[in-house]
Amino acid sequence: GQNIDQPTEMTATEGAIVQINCTYQTSGFNGLFWYQQHAGEAPTFLSYNVLDGLEEKGRFSSFLSRSKGYSYLLLKELQMKDSASYLCAVSRDDKIIFGKGTRLHILP
Amino acid sequence: GAGVSQSPSNKVTEKGKDVELRCDPISGHTALYWYRQRLGQGLEFLIYFQGNSAPDKSGLPSDRFSAERTGESVSTLTIQRTQQEDSAVYLCASSGYRPTGETIYFGEGSWLTVV
Repeated sequence: GQNIDQPTEMTATEGAIVQINCTYQTSGFNGLFWYQQHAGEAPTFLSYNVLDGLEEKGRFSSFLSRSKGYSYLLLKELQMKDSASYLCAVSRDDKIIFGKGTRLHILP
Repeated sequence: GAGVSQSPSNKVTEKGKDVELRCDPISGHTALYWYRQRLGQGLEFLIYFQGNSAPDKSGLPSDRFSAERTGESVSTLTIQRTQQEDSAVYLCASSGYRPTGETIYFGEGSWLTVV
């Protein structure tokens, strides 16, 4: 089977930094996705990590440790528009399994 | 088409009726996924197609749910004898042969309400 865990909700302040963690247990691991989903909208792609390490894309960075079954999404210089759910998803063989998502609230 | 297209975008149906949801993937994408998302919840995997075959149907919640795909293109998800717990948004996604990197794209979803 597979198990993906991430916090249900987080709150951070505009301009700050927030780290959203994701742990997983699965067989046949290929890579790990992060998606952003605003309320009432479809998820949109943020990142995909296959190898261990940190990948940076502007204000967003994603880290993966395959041996620890751990990933995080780091958001810098938070903006109000970053208020959304962040979904961790594991690519397992040809199936992609999503975690329940972390709702991020940004305070002014 | 330019993106994944789903229809209807919204559907209200009476308990016990059948509904059919349609997904038109990005042209040339061979992999197609259906997910269900209840209000405030995460994405629940339903079924995955590679071409017209479905190697993984493990996520279908009951025998009231079925899906098919024809011509390696359009897919339909059918829910028979709908129940109130079926109320959710049904998201379709497509990708190239293997979902790698940025190649998976979601449609806007079909919002189903069973009353």
